[in-house]
Amino acid sequence: EIQLQESGPGLVKPSQSLSLTCSVTGYTITSGYDWSWIRKFPGNKMEWMGYISYSGSTNYNPSLKSRISITRDTSKNQFFLQLNSVTTEDTATYYCASRTRLQGFAYWGQGTLVTVSS
Amino acid sequence: DVVMTQTPVSLSVAIGQPASISCKSSQSLVGTSGKTYLNWLLQRPGQSPKRLIYLVSKLDSGIPDRFSGSGSETDFTLKISRVEADDLGVYYCLQGTHFPLTFGSGTKLEIK
Repeated sequence: EIQLQESGPGLVKPSQSLSLTCSVTGYTITSGYDWSWIRKFPGNKMEWMGYISYSGSTNYNPSLKSRISITRDTSKNQFFLQLNSVTTEDTATYYCASRTRLQGFAYWGQGTLVTVSS
Repeated sequence: DVVMTQTPVSLSVAIGQPASISCKSSQSLVGTSGKTYLNWLLQRPGQSPKRLIYLVSKLDSGIPDRFSGSGSETDFTLKISRVEADDLGVYYCLQGTHFPLTFGSGTKLEIK
């Protein structure tokens, strides 16, 4: 069974960078799927942030394009989120998830709350 | 971006009663393949979102057939024929046809 697990700091200061790791078990991230980051803001709003594909290509939400980077370490079967110049508006629960176009987001991590505050 | 307008914001339903959630997109979700990439997700309290339905009406493995999805082009509906206690949470529609992927604003289902 595919399992995803987010990890990273729960508190980030404004103007700094937010960095999260998604560790994948039960599947090799180079075998298939797009590997996404999604966030849920306080109050239920969900936002797809971007993905890195199994081949290594990336696709970002234009609303974040200047601040976001998604990379991977295939040797560790992990992929990463970096979001630069964060503000309090970036406070959210961040999820990693696997997706196919046909079937959507099949597997999700448990989510990690990141608070942006000084 | 494709705007997904989801209604109602919340609904309170007694056990055994039906429930219905609407999702309307600002443009057609029919892709160049002819497929419509519309999903429904449920986020139960304290849990991650879980896929219920993909391609408008295909139930994910293990999802009871009390759930059904329908619709086309820009107008979609999730129906629960008989609500059970385990159905409470926030339901989201999600379109996967156009980038960026976009979600509806969520519908909170409470048990009356």
